[in-house]
Amino acid sequence: NAGVTQTPKFQVLKTGQSMTLQCAQDMNHEYMSWYRQDPGMGLRLIHYSVGAGITDQGEVPNGYNVSRSTTEDFPLRLLSAAPSQTSVYFCASSLTTGLNEKLFFGSGTQLSVL
Amino acid sequence: AQKITQTQPGMFVQEKEAVTLDCTYDTSDPSYGLFWYKQPSSGEMIFLIYQGSYDQQNATEGRYSLNFQKARKSANLVISASQLGDSAMYFCAMREFGNEKLTFGTGTRLTIIP
Repeated sequence: NAGVTQTPKFQVLKTGQSMTLQCAQDMNHEYMSWYRQDPGMGLRLIHYSVGAGITDQGEVPNGYNVSRSTTEDFPLRLLSAAPSQTSVYFCASSLTTGLNEKLFFGSGTQLSVL
Repeated sequence: AQKITQTQPGMFVQEKEAVTLDCTYDTSDPSYGLFWYKQPSSGEMIFLIYQGSYDQQNATEGRYSLNFQKARKSANLVISASQLGDSAMYFCAMREFGNEKLTFGTGTRLTIIP
């Protein structure tokens, strides 16, 4: 039972470097999303997708790109990392976007940008 | 726009006592869903309980119950007979009908004292 798989678990970047956080789910979920968690700010939505080929911006999209070429995968790209992007990142998915659909979360990626 | 407020950054509770974690929300949509998640020190996000705005009864799941007061726009989580393993961060979240986004509060850190 894989569920939502995020890689890597930890990453250290230098300012200006680029990287991709990987997210895959094996539950045939339509909806996938990325959140960042910062102390005192809860979880804030970065980008989300309601199906393959469809993505949209969340609350804090600047500095991040996403794509959804398949139902299973939803990678998050940092094109030029900044110290303000130091955070814990969570990928989450749900079967649909129905009112009572709970999100299934990955285990998180702790990213530090120096 | 949907908004969630958790006003208790931290709480300390004696083991075996009941605890109430506060959550208020703001929405103009009559149809919405409310969620509570638990995040232990290990970092994973665990779904606890769901309440729909049209549900006639307060939701319950084992030791967890949701004190839903629609007129006050509050959805407090009640944990009965607290245990040491309940020490964690707790997040309240909501989704409006037709809105793909799940919005989270800033969380409450609960510490159970032996």
